[in-house]
Amino acid sequence: GAVVSQHPSWVICKSGTSVKIECRSLDFQATTMFWYRQFPKQSLMLMATSNEGSKATYEQGVEKDKFLINHASLTLSTLTVTSAHPEDSSFYICSARPGGSSYEQYFGPGTRLTVT
Amino acid sequence: AQTVTQSQPEMSVQEAETVTLSCTYDTSESDYYLFWYKQPPSRQMILVIRQEAYKQQNATENRFSVNFQKAAKSFSLKISDSQLGDAAMYFCAYSPWGAQKLVFGQGTRLTINP
Repeated sequence: GAVVSQHPSWVICKSGTSVKIECRSLDFQATTMFWYRQFPKQSLMLMATSNEGSKATYEQGVEKDKFLINHASLTLSTLTVTSAHPEDSSFYICSARPGGSSYEQYFGPGTRLTVT
Repeated sequence: AQTVTQSQPEMSVQEAETVTLSCTYDTSESDYYLFWYKQPPSRQMILVIRQEAYKQQNATENRFSVNFQKAAKSFSLKISDSQLGDAAMYFCAYSPWGAQKLVFGQGTRLTINP
């Protein structure tokens, strides 16, 4: 089956620093990747959609200068949280859609970010 | 804007019994997909079942089946012969046809009592 990995699975960083989270599709090419944020005991909220080779499309209310998304290849997308603050602490989940699919979406295992 | 509503924050069921999770959605589109995802304590999202809106027949996957009522914009999930491993958060999700993103409901936490 299609596998999506995320790295790291858990990261702690200090306030004001930047942290990068990687999302990789291991056995398929992902023309589109999605980044979600999930607060404790809440649902997933889509942050942005990224297509390989083009700029990400951010959802309303998501600061694009704070959450930098790069989709440089068909198997890798990165989310960089810049100048992190404690309120950015959350669970970040990526998903990837294979090329040619109209509905399939495979999720990564998530990354827990804690900003101290 | 499309919205998905799950009105049951928590549900519980005895092992081997049947449970139904509710979901309603709001859209002006005629073609779309509906999904149920399971999120166990590991937090890995797992697709449980998918329904295409143009199909009248309700989708089934082993012990999981849906009751899709397009006119009522309702999409419930029935789990038969509940097992301890079914305990998880269940999210209903909507995706317009041809669009890319998923819109999730608030989730229902399902507990299985042995």
